[in-house]
Amino acid sequence: QVQLVESGGGVVQPGRSLRLSCAASAFPFSSYGMHWVRQAPGRGLEWVALLSSDGTNKFYADSVKGRFTISRDNSKNTLYLQMNSLRAEDTAVYYCAKPLGMVRAYYFDYWGQGTLVTVSS
Amino acid sequence: EIVMTQSPATLSVSPGERATLSCRASQSVSSNLAWYQQKPGQAPRLLIYGPSTRATGIPARFSGRGSGTEFTLTISSLQSEDFAVYYCQQYDNWPLTFGQGTKLEIK
Repeated sequence: QVQLVESGGGVVQPGRSLRLSCAASAFPFSSYGMHWVRQAPGRGLEWVALLSSDGTNKFYADSVKGRFTISRDNSKNTLYLQMNSLRAEDTAVYYCAKPLGMVRAYYFDYWGQGTLVTVSS
Repeated sequence: EIVMTQSPATLSVSPGERATLSCRASQSVSSNLAWYQQKPGQAPRLLIYGPSTRATGIPARFSGRGSGTEFTLTISSLQSEDFAVYYCQQYDNWPLTFGQGTKLEIK
């Protein structure tokens, strides 16, 4: 069945960088735009970024724009999130999420298990 | 940015009873609304989209309705596994936004 497996989380100091990965399987990854969504401890869900299926169109939340970069490698069925200039408020579980449909279906039927990013000195 | 407001923040209901959760958008999102269920330590699970279509495998006791700015999720007869946090999400405009969640707890 569909699997999304995130990795790359950890503890990082403010101002430093981290790269998250999401390995996808059991669906045509290269046909789907893919998203990152995060959840701060004890808080709600916050959409972070979207990358189109071919990698040409990117959308970001204002809170991460200019600091985070979403990318993908369709030959490896992998989604990435490069996070630079990290702040304490970026501390969260980061999920990659697959939309239900290939076109204009920006709600998510599969989520990874999440990877925790903690920004702390 | 469209702000999604859920009410109540916490809802206490007995098993077997009906629960109704509300979600309000700060501007019209048409029918572009989804509901998720999240249990502790787990990823969210898609329940409803469109805003009344149940996702695959979701029991018929879950139903959604509404359009524009007012939406509801109803669980007709609560089972023990339904006690969780529920989020609404609009996908009509960028950025995608979620409500702050309603915690459904056992009374």
